[in-house]
Amino acid sequence: GQQLNQSPQSMFIQEGEDVSMNCTSSSIFNTWLWYKQDPGEGPVLLIALYKAGELTSNGRLTAQFGITRKDSFLNISASIPSDVGIYFCAGQLGAGANNLFFGTGTRLTVIP
Amino acid sequence: KAGVTQTPRYLIKTRGQQVTLSCSPISGHRSVSWYQQTPGQGLQFLFEYFSETQRNKGNFPGRFSGRQFSNSRSEMNVSTLELGDSALYLCASSLVGGRAAVPDTQYFGPGTRLTVL
Repeated sequence: GQQLNQSPQSMFIQEGEDVSMNCTSSSIFNTWLWYKQDPGEGPVLLIALYKAGELTSNGRLTAQFGITRKDSFLNISASIPSDVGIYFCAGQLGAGANNLFFGTGTRLTVIP
Repeated sequence: KAGVTQTPRYLIKTRGQQVTLSCSPISGHRSVSWYQQTPGQGLQFLFEYFSETQRNKGNFPGRFSGRQFSNSRSEMNVSTLELGDSALYLCASSLVGGRAAVPDTQYFGPGTRLTVL
């Protein structure tokens, strides 16, 4: 399958700091998705991006679909303790779940 | 709207046994997909069902099977369990099901944590 390189693998930040993580691929994707997963739970969709260059916000979260269609980033502003979790990017080539590929995740720890 | 639900949430089995996991999609969603998540391999696609038909299949052995019912609910079955089958099994539903131009974004359930002893 397609390989998505997600960085950083883990982050330790102070409450109130901003966070940035990104996802890159050697392949072009038509859709980029960002999910958050809490321990023992399923991934929850945060932001979906459908067009190259698109910048979308969801509260304190902002994500962008890279112009080259090979990358995406997610920013979290003014982090709070409940932001703790694993953030996954996912790139979708086309319709069908077999065309959805996940990054390896960024584990975020917020220190109060 | 209720989200994707999965039952049971936790399951402990021994090697050689079989297991059946259940998933109810978001109301109105007709596509259901299954994923296996492990620390070492991450999220891996198992199969996708749409209108009671398996649409796509990942690279898993035949011990892993599934089906979808007319109400879009889905089950997956793993036979002859192995220690390596211990994982979080996630179900996701989407509105479209792979045959339209509209992006079929996946919405995940909470998962079933399977432990094989």
